[in-house]
Amino acid sequence: KAGVTQTPRYLIKTRGQQVTLSCSPISGHRSVSWYQQTPGQGLQFLFEYFSETQRNKGNFPGRFSGRQFSNSRSEMNVSTLELGDSALYLCASSLGAGREQYFGPGTRLTVT
Amino acid sequence: SQELEQSPQSLIVQEGKNLTINCTSSKTLYGLYWYKQKYGEGLIFLMMLQKGGEEKSHEKITAKLDEKKQQSSLHITASQPSHAGIYLCGADGFMEYGNKLVFGAGTILRVKS
Repeated sequence: KAGVTQTPRYLIKTRGQQVTLSCSPISGHRSVSWYQQTPGQGLQFLFEYFSETQRNKGNFPGRFSGRQFSNSRSEMNVSTLELGDSALYLCASSLGAGREQYFGPGTRLTVT
Repeated sequence: SQELEQSPQSLIVQEGKNLTINCTSSKTLYGLYWYKQKYGEGLIFLMMLQKGGEEKSHEKITAKLDEKKQQSSLHITASQPSHAGIYLCGADGFMEYGNKLVFGAGTILRVKS
């Protein structure tokens, strides 16, 4: 089976712009979770989608949003980018709650 | 909120030596994950533990969850340069249903050949 894929792998944006990141889960996985990784804060949970519904949300401002499509692919959007949004964004897919979560290679976002 | 403490923060070992990384939780662990990460890349799933006293092995890596389900250890036998990387433990956010992992800060492992 193909693993979790994320596009794009690298992105450079300017403050104030918005960005959309994409995640394709492993075939058959209906849960997709998003995480932000920074040197200062480590790995932090953003949100989880299951069957097109947001099931869990982390402590991030409303500028961070996401959605999931009927084929389980997920997108996350960050509006009005700030310098502090520079990070590695990782998505993980799973068959369901309490099951193994497999991560994609990540999208490296740099905000200038 | 659930916190995970990993120790040590970093480790340098000679190739062929054994090593142990610990992950301690302030609360009961209902699902404990171990991942390996190369700098700037995605996380590679190693093992998931759910039952007290559970132990799993894959190649030269063994992970255990203690009986009280508040501490896990990852043991590498006869380390190799390919074991180098960042090891992260993650735990299910047990207060909320679904997949929401809380991670430790990570342990950086270097293996000298």
